Amino acid sequence: AQTIHQWPVAEIKAVGSPLSLGCTIKGKSSPNLYWYWQATGGTLQQLFYSITVGQVESVVQLNLSASRPKDDQFILSTEKLLLSHSGFYLCAWSPPWGGKDTQYFGPGTRLLVL
Amino acid sequence: GDSVTQTEGQVALSEEDFLTIHCNYSASGYPALFWYVQYPGEGPQFLFRASRDKEKGSSRGFEATYDKGTTSFHLRKASVQESDSAVYYCALGEDNYAQGLTFGLGTRVSVFP
Repeated sequence: AQTIHQWPVAEIKAVGSPLSLGCTIKGKSSPNLYWYWQATGGTLQQLFYSITVGQVESVVQLNLSASRPKDDQFILSTEKLLLSHSGFYLCAWSPPWGGKDTQYFGPGTRLLVL
Repeated sequence: GDSVTQTEGQVALSEEDFLTIHCNYSASGYPALFWYVQYPGEGPQFLFRASRDKEKGSSRGFEATYDKGTTSFHLRKASVQESDSAVYYCALGEDNYAQGLTFGLGTRVSVFP
């Protein structure tokens, strides 16, 4: 069975500080990987997707970047946090077959920027 | 671009009531449609999907039928329980390879004993 792990569970950070969030998927080879952001009480907004190691596509610009250093790992980062970065960050994976496939979400990382 | 509209922002029900959440979509192609459920502090959980006209998806007593004519995928459950209290999201996925799902704004369902 596939498992998806996100770290850290929660972060409280200062404006202007750097950030790195991680996601690991076990039990699935070459998955498509996604980062979503969810404001408190809001819907899910896709940020990035990756179909292979070293290749990441940006969907929206939020002064964030993403990287896929390994087949099973997806990293979200920024050098300077903004207040608007607060929210719930979700990593998801889908089979490596196409855009209509089901996506499975991780438990999320809650970020508060002060 | 693609979009998903959920008519109800919040729904309050008593246990054993019938639940309907309306979902309509707009897409350029022939999308797959999904329902997800999200409990407080957790990531969304996949409920079920449908990918062709008149196909019914179901799980945990919830069901929805893909209707291409009315561009709808309404979620229904005959008898809700307090444990069904959560936020429900309708979503669509297109053939655009490896792009993500487009989600509706979500419907918060509160079930009271």
